[in-house]
Amino acid sequence: KAGVTQTPRYLIKTRGQQVTLSCSPISGHRSVSWYQQTPGQGLQFLFEYFSETQRNKGNFPGRFSGRQFSNSRSEMNVSTLELGDSALYLCASSPTAGGRDTQYFGPGTRLTVL
Amino acid sequence: AQSVSQHNHHVILSEAASLELGCNYSYGGTVNLFWYVQYPGQHLQLLLKYFSGDPLVKGIKGFEAEFIKSKFSFNLRKPSVQWSDTAEYFCAVIPWRNNRLAFGKGNQVVVIP
Repeated sequence: KAGVTQTPRYLIKTRGQQVTLSCSPISGHRSVSWYQQTPGQGLQFLFEYFSETQRNKGNFPGRFSGRQFSNSRSEMNVSTLELGDSALYLCASSPTAGGRDTQYFGPGTRLTVL
Repeated sequence: AQSVSQHNHHVILSEAASLELGCNYSYGGTVNLFWYVQYPGQHLQLLLKYFSGDPLVKGIKGFEAEFIKSKFSFNLRKPSVQWSDTAEYFCAVIPWRNNRLAFGKGNQVVVIP
């Protein structure tokens, strides 16, 4: 099976702009979770989607949002970008909802905010 | 704040040495436990996991981990490391009460041939 894919792999934006990241899960996986990885805070949970519904959300401001489509592909959006949003954004898919099962990670999208 | 702690962020070993990485968490209640590994230039991938049953779990590439509930710990071990074990290792915990996967800060392990 093909693994989790994320596009784009690299992105450079300026403060105040918005950005959309995309994630395609492993075929048959209906749960998609997003994480932010920074040197200071490490890996932090953003949110989880299952069957087009947000099932869980981490402690991030409302500027971070997401959605999931009927084919399980997911997008993450960050509005009004801040310098601190520079990070590696990882997507992970899982066959079951709830986040308790093994998660399969993609390569990430490296976002740089100038 | 509830968290996952990994100590000794940078570890340097010679081949054939034994490796032990500590992981402690502060969540109460039922948890699922994981160790993930990220080899240079690769994705995060699962090394091993504990959901229930035998607290000593075996994973890929000769790694094992022991869950000690009373100590809130899930330490990773390998008796004899190889150069190919050079990677960053992350402990992760899902507390059932919030279902949010929480990661430790990771251990950067370098194995010298």
